[in-house]
Amino acid sequence: AQSVTQPDIHITVSEGASLELRCNYSYGATPYLFWYVQSPGQGLQLLLKYFSGDTLVQGIKGFEAEFKRSQSSFNLRKPSVHWSDAAEYFCAVGSLSGGGADGLTFGKGTHLIIQP
Amino acid sequence: DARVTQTPRHKVTEMGQEVTMRCQPILGHNTVFWYRQTMMQGLELLAYFRNRAPLDDSGMPKDRFSAEMPDATLATLKIQPSEPRDSAVYFCASGPGGSSSTDTQYFGPGTRLTVL
Repeated sequence: AQSVTQPDIHITVSEGASLELRCNYSYGATPYLFWYVQSPGQGLQLLLKYFSGDTLVQGIKGFEAEFKRSQSSFNLRKPSVHWSDAAEYFCAVGSLSGGGADGLTFGKGTHLIIQP
Repeated sequence: DARVTQTPRHKVTEMGQEVTMRCQPILGHNTVFWYRQTMMQGLELLAYFRNRAPLDDSGMPKDRFSAEMPDATLATLKIQPSEPRDSAVYFCASGPGGSSSTDTQYFGPGTRLTVL
């Protein structure tokens, strides 16, 4: 069975500082990996995804993530955070079957707090 | 700007009542997912459909939950009878299916259900 671990429940970062959110996955085959962001009371917005190819993927809002197969990790990074980045961040792993993607398995999320 | 829509956005009901949540996937998407988000369990996949056919509902309590797609523009999730432990935010997501490079799940804003 696939699983996702986000070791950090909360992270506090100063505005303008760099950010790294950790994600480790367990999956038997080639994983399809995602990062989503959720603002309070909102749905989930896709930041970026990895299916294959270049292991460094660029997303929206200046985020990037690196897939490291040897470490079973897919950490999310941003060089300089803004106050508007405060939100809940979810890492997810998925698979494909005939015709498209299957349901996602999500981590428990990391709550990002931005200090002024 | 194509979006997944969900109704109602909020629902408060009493234990034992029937609850129906509706989802309109993005036009042209052939896969619809239902997820539930709680503080304790996080985001869990309940069920999903492809081309209106149920593919997996193993995450759903079968005795009280049912999910259907009466047509390509409407997915429903029904709880009968509802219980306080069903209180959660229920998200619908849709995806275009097809190749891995294009298949991404787009989430609706959710239905916040409170069962008293």
